[in-house]
Amino acid sequence: GQQLNQSPQSMFIQEGEDVSMNCTSSSIFNTWLWYKQDPGEGPVLLIALYKAGELTSNGRLTAQFGITRKDSFLNISASIPSDVGIYFCAGFSGNTPLVFGKGTRLSVIA
Amino acid sequence: NAGVTQTPKFQVLKTGQSMTLQCAQDMNHNSMYWYRQDPGMGLRLIYYSASEGTTDKGEVPNGYNVSRLNKREFSLRLESAAPSQTSVYFCASSAAYEQYFGPGTRLTVT
Repeated sequence: GQQLNQSPQSMFIQEGEDVSMNCTSSSIFNTWLWYKQDPGEGPVLLIALYKAGELTSNGRLTAQFGITRKDSFLNISASIPSDVGIYFCAGFSGNTPLVFGKGTRLSVIA
Repeated sequence: NAGVTQTPKFQVLKTGQSMTLQCAQDMNHNSMYWYRQDPGMGLRLIYYSASEGTTDKGEVPNGYNVSRLNKREFSLRLESAAPSQTSVYFCASSAAYEQYFGPGTRLTVT
C-alpha cells in the first residue's frame, strides 16, 4: 500500500528557532495536508495543499506541495512553547482514504 | 457547532468484554472514519464509511465492527476486547479531502 515517510521522527529545538520537517512517498498524491496534535487531543488541520508547487502559509507556518507530487514540507518560523506537539502529514491520491505519516514529535525548550 | 464528538472519553475493559464507541458529527459530512493511535505507529485506519449505508475495511479491521447509523453517527464495536486493542481511538469526518477529528477515546483493556 501507499506509505508516507515523515522525518525527522522527533526534534528538540530552542524557543525562537525555525523548524523544518518533510514527508516523502514513492507514490504521487493530488492533495497534501498537515495536521498538529496537541497532547491529549485529536489532530487539527493546519494547512491543505492542492497543487504541485503550491506554497501556503498559516501564520508562522508555511507548507509546500513538492513539484514531483511525491513530497511536502512544513516550516515553522520563530518557534514558541505552544508549538509543542506531533505534526502529521497526510496525502490523498484519489483512490483510497487519506494516508498518514507516522508524525514528527516537536519539543520546544524555553 | 460541536464538530466531531466522541463518547466515552475514557474506558477500561476486561479481556473478553464488549463495548461500543460512539461518534457523531454535525458538519453534514458524507464520510466518516475510525482510527487507532499507538505510540510510534501514527494513525491507523480501522474502518471508514464513504457515505451513509456503506462501510469499508481500513488497514487494521480485525476485532472490530462498525455501524453507520445515519449520516451523523458512526459507531465502532469491540465484540470481545483484547489487550492488543488498548489504544486511543479517533473518529473523523470529511466532506472531501480534509478530515476533521474528534477528541478521542482512551481505551485500556486489562
